[in-house]
Amino acid sequence: QVQLVESGGGLVKPGGSLRLSCAASGFTFSDYYMSWIRQAPGKGLEWVSYISSGSSYTNYADSVKGRFTISRDNAKNSLYLQMNSLRAEDTAIYYCARDGDATGYSHFDYWGQGTLVTVSS
Amino acid sequence: SYELTQPPSVSVSPGQTASITCSGDKLGDKYICWYQQKPGQSPVLVIYQVRKRPSGIPERFSGSKSGNTATLTISGTQAMDEADYYCQAWDSSTVLFGGGTKLTVL
Repeated sequence: QVQLVESGGGLVKPGGSLRLSCAASGFTFSDYYMSWIRQAPGKGLEWVSYISSGSSYTNYADSVKGRFTISRDNAKNSLYLQMNSLRAEDTAIYYCARDGDATGYSHFDYWGQGTLVTVSS
Repeated sequence: SYELTQPPSVSVSPGQTASITCSGDKLGDKYICWYQQKPGQSPVLVIYQVRKRPSGIPERFSGSKSGNTATLTISGTQAMDEADYYCQAWDSSTVLFGGGTKLTVL
């Protein structure tokens, strides 16, 4: 069965950095686009970034562009999000999610349980 | 910037039909999908490509689109359907989510 397990969240001071990981299993990871999606406490869903199956294509929400970097290691079945220059408004649960269509730009058919990032002094 | 607009809340009596709308310019050109999120849980895909249901999603969930408005319909709503619902689409290589609709079954 498909599993996505995020890790790496925690408490960080404003201006600090954090690297999130998402371990994938139960499917051929290298075939699928992947995304990071976040949810601030009590708020709605906000897409953060996506990466194509072979890492050729990436894109970011304007709110994180220039500060966050998405990457993947298909040999390790892992997705990453490097977050720099963190701000209080980056506080959220961060989910990794699989794009349900192997060509991307579709729907998210599997989500991880999320990892909480708190940015506070 | 492109936006998807949902009503903040919808109420329905058990056994009745709930309709949640999602509107946006040029929505007619886009595939829409819908997610259900219960408190403390990750979102679950309930409808994709406007009207398709993933395996395991009850038949009472259906989707449709007319012009620039997509609709998630829950027929014979059950107490277990009380949750937040989000629509989602792609626009210019970015993902958009609607603001979410809280469905209350009372």
